[in-house]
Amino acid sequence: AQTVTQSQPEMSVQEAETVTLSCTYDTSESDYYLFWYKQPPSRQMILVIRQEAYKQQNATENRFSVNFQKAAKSFSLKISDSQLGDAAMYFCAYRSANTGNQFYFGTGTSLTVIP
Amino acid sequence: DVKVTQSSRYLVKRTGEKVFLECVQDMDHENMFWYRQDPGLGLRLIYFSYDVKMKEKGDIPEGYSVSREKKERFSLILESASTNQTSMYLCASSLYRYAEAFFGQGTRLTVV
Repeated sequence: AQTVTQSQPEMSVQEAETVTLSCTYDTSESDYYLFWYKQPPSRQMILVIRQEAYKQQNATENRFSVNFQKAAKSFSLKISDSQLGDAAMYFCAYRSANTGNQFYFGTGTSLTVIP
Repeated sequence: DVKVTQSSRYLVKRTGEKVFLECVQDMDHENMFWYRQDPGLGLRLIYFSYDVKMKEKGDIPEGYSVSREKKERFSLILESASTNQTSMYLCASSLYRYAEAFFGQGTRLTVV
């Protein structure tokens, strides 16, 4: 089974500053998908951004962008101009394009935004 | 918008009870999932279903079963609830194997 590692259980950032959340994964596959999910205190998990492994270009969604390093099996999330509403638990997830259907999640990073 | 609805946000059940957690999605998704979320452990897959009446065990299926009689509904069953099944349960669905998952709001289950 693939493993996804988030080595930062907690992070904090000053409002309007930039923060980077780390994620590494272990796989022998070449075709897969990576996701970042946000879980605010309301508990609803929502998709922040996705990256296809075959694409070299890093995905961006407004203030959210990723640094995808396929050879290093690294997938970090950068949040620019942090806002109070960004405070949440963030989960990195992996999904194979070939084998099985399940998602593999990391243990999460709790982000605090300091006003 | 895709909507995944879990029948309860909070449940309190007694040890030994049979518990049903229901999940309904409104977007004709083939894949549906049940996850358990515990602090420090992330999300762990209990079962998933890739079509009606089809199911596969995830990483922690012991003590659980599932039912998918209709495409839109995926039920998680705790055959005989135990205190170590006190947890947050998340249901999710996705359109096909490459797609992102959409989640329900979660059910906080407490077994006393």
